[in-house]
Amino acid sequence: EPEVTQTPSHQVTQMGQEVILRCVPISNHLYFYWYRQILGQKVEFLVSFYNNEISEKSEIFDDQFSVERPDGSNFTLKIRSTKLEDSAMYFCASSESGRTYNEQFFGPGTRLTVL
Amino acid sequence: KNQVEQSPQSLIILERKNCTLQCNYTVSPFSNLRWYKQDTGRGPVSLTIMTFSENTKSNGRYTATLDADTKQSSLHITASQLSDSASYICVVKAGGGTSYGKLTFGQGTILTVHP
Repeated sequence: EPEVTQTPSHQVTQMGQEVILRCVPISNHLYFYWYRQILGQKVEFLVSFYNNEISEKSEIFDDQFSVERPDGSNFTLKIRSTKLEDSAMYFCASSESGRTYNEQFFGPGTRLTVL
Repeated sequence: KNQVEQSPQSLIILERKNCTLQCNYTVSPFSNLRWYKQDTGRGPVSLTIMTFSENTKSNGRYTATLDADTKQSSLHITASQLSDSASYICVVKAGGGTSYGKLTFGQGTILTVHP
């Protein structure tokens, strides 16, 4: 069964460093999303992406964050200068369509630890 | 502000027993409500999706109900198994043309099933 994959599973970085989290969505899906979950807290929406541009973003998704679909299969989340509070589990998701009833399929997540 | 609240925060039951989890939301305009199962360290997996016109939906031993008037939903698990131990998250999607799939998550109910 097709699934969303994410790499790495765990990333440790120093404060101020740039990190890139990678995702491979399900191949026929056109809509892509990033979410994060700080330990012990709710999953929070970051950004949605369609047709090579951001379609919606939350207030969390500030200028330190960017997303890209560099090669038609990968979908990346870049954090330019990491802060301690960026430590969280980051989930990528994809969906076949943007219809209101669309099901989003989540990847296993990347645990980011900022020291 | 769109919010999703769940109760109880955690629940311990014995194997083969039934249980019911609750969800209240204040998302407007409402599009649909989903229940996800999240195993520790994994991404959420969809169990059910319901629109405002659906009162109940089943997926195997999982049955979700929705009362769009009172903005409440429940997830009933029948004949629980050890593998049901997980976090169960209520998620609501707002309607509206500018929303491309942004989901609002509850904090989850942590279910532990003991032998």
